[in-house]
Amino acid sequence: EAGVAQSPRYKIIEKRQSVAFWCNPISGHATLYWYQQILGQGPKLLIQFQNNGVVDDSQLPKDRFSAERLKGVDSTLKIQPAKLEDSAVYLCASSPTLRAGSNTGELFFGEGSRLTVL
Amino acid sequence: QKEVEQNSGPLSVPEGAIASLNCTYSDRGSQSFFWYRQYSGKSPELIMFIYSNGDKEDGRFTAQLNKASQYVSLLIRDSQPSDSATYLCAVNVGGSTLGRLYFGRGTQLTVWP
Repeated sequence: EAGVAQSPRYKIIEKRQSVAFWCNPISGHATLYWYQQILGQGPKLLIQFQNNGVVDDSQLPKDRFSAERLKGVDSTLKIQPAKLEDSAVYLCASSPTLRAGSNTGELFFGEGSRLTVL
Repeated sequence: QKEVEQNSGPLSVPEGAIASLNCTYSDRGSQSFFWYRQYSGKSPELIMFIYSNGDKEDGRFTAQLNKASQYVSLLIRDSQPSDSATYLCAVNVGGSTLGRLYFGRGTQLTVWP
């Protein structure tokens, strides 16, 4: 079974530039997440999709970050304009639709996209 | 994130010893708890989950949950150098069934030969 695919793996940009990250979840997984992990910290949830609808985007800095999941499969996360503090690894994860008692709630993570903002 | 707190470490133990990792959470409605392991430069991977109060054992790993104290821990018995990694505690905040996981900042564990 193919895992969660992310690209690009690495990106270096200057502040005020824009960047986009792409994620393809595991086939059949209805739920998709974007996490931001700053060096030395745990992953921070930015946005959660259920199919193509947003479940939670309370921690997404909406003045500069946007995300979409067209057709309930692939997703893109965009940052415009980037700030120095956006330097982090952006992790995409997916999970099957949860039903009470049916699975573990395990998230399957991609390799991440490492962003450096200069 | 303030919802999930971990002892920041780093924690260093000799090979063969027991490593104890601790986590507290603030949302009393949380119902499921997870331990992820993250090797340097890699993505997190699930090693244990627990839903009920008490202990849950899986090989060398034991997860312990005390909902009254809002406390969850992970014990690693017979620690091996390959266990050296950052261990992330994750909590399903708000009791959601949609797997909305909030992570602690992690505890870095080093097992020395």
